[in-house]
Amino acid sequence: EAGVAQSPRYKIIEKRQSVAFWCNPISGHATLYWYQQILGQGPKLLIQFQNNGVVDDSQLPKDRFSAERLKGVDSTLKIQPAKLEDSAVYLCASSATPGTGGQMNTEAFFGQGTRLTVV
Amino acid sequence: GNSVTQMEGPVTLSEEAFLTINCTYTATGYPSLFWYVQYPGEGLQLLLKATKADDKGSNKGFEATYRKETTSFHLEKGSVQVSDSAVYFCALSGRMDTGRRALTFGSGTRLQVQP
Repeated sequence: EAGVAQSPRYKIIEKRQSVAFWCNPISGHATLYWYQQILGQGPKLLIQFQNNGVVDDSQLPKDRFSAERLKGVDSTLKIQPAKLEDSAVYLCASSATPGTGGQMNTEAFFGQGTRLTVV
Repeated sequence: GNSVTQMEGPVTLSEEAFLTINCTYTATGYPSLFWYVQYPGEGLQLLLKATKADDKGSNKGFEATYRKETTSFHLEKGSVQVSDSAVYFCALSGRMDTGRRALTFGSGTRLQVQP
């Protein structure tokens, strides 16, 4: 079974430039997540999709970050314009639909991430 | 809101030593609890999980027990190997302020095992 694919693996941009990251989740996984992992910290949820609909984007800085998941499969995360503090690893994860009890005891599978450096 | 607190690292041990990484959590309701591991140069991988109180998750010699009374999920291994060197993240799946469920992670604990 193929895992979660992300690209690019690394990206270096200047502040105020724009950047986009791509994620292809595991086939059949309805739920897709984008996390931001700043060096030395744990991953922080940015946005969660269920199929092609957003179910939680409360922690997404919407003035500069945007994400979409067309057709409920691949997803892109964009930053425009980037700031120095956006330097981080951006992780994509996917999981099967949570159980009927609402308990997310199904495993979330993570991609290798995109390491963004803003200079 | 939900939060996870882990012991700070790095934790440095000799091979075959006993490992404990402490993890405590705050959450509403009844979260599921997870340990994820990140080996150098690789992505996050699920190590083990527990979905209800008193459950014990185990994998690759690692164990953790869901303790509701102490809101803890400490990771243990009886005899560590050099290959266990990695960053370990405790996480919970609980209801967020939005009402939706997602993973909340601790800050991670780096384990270094010396030969």
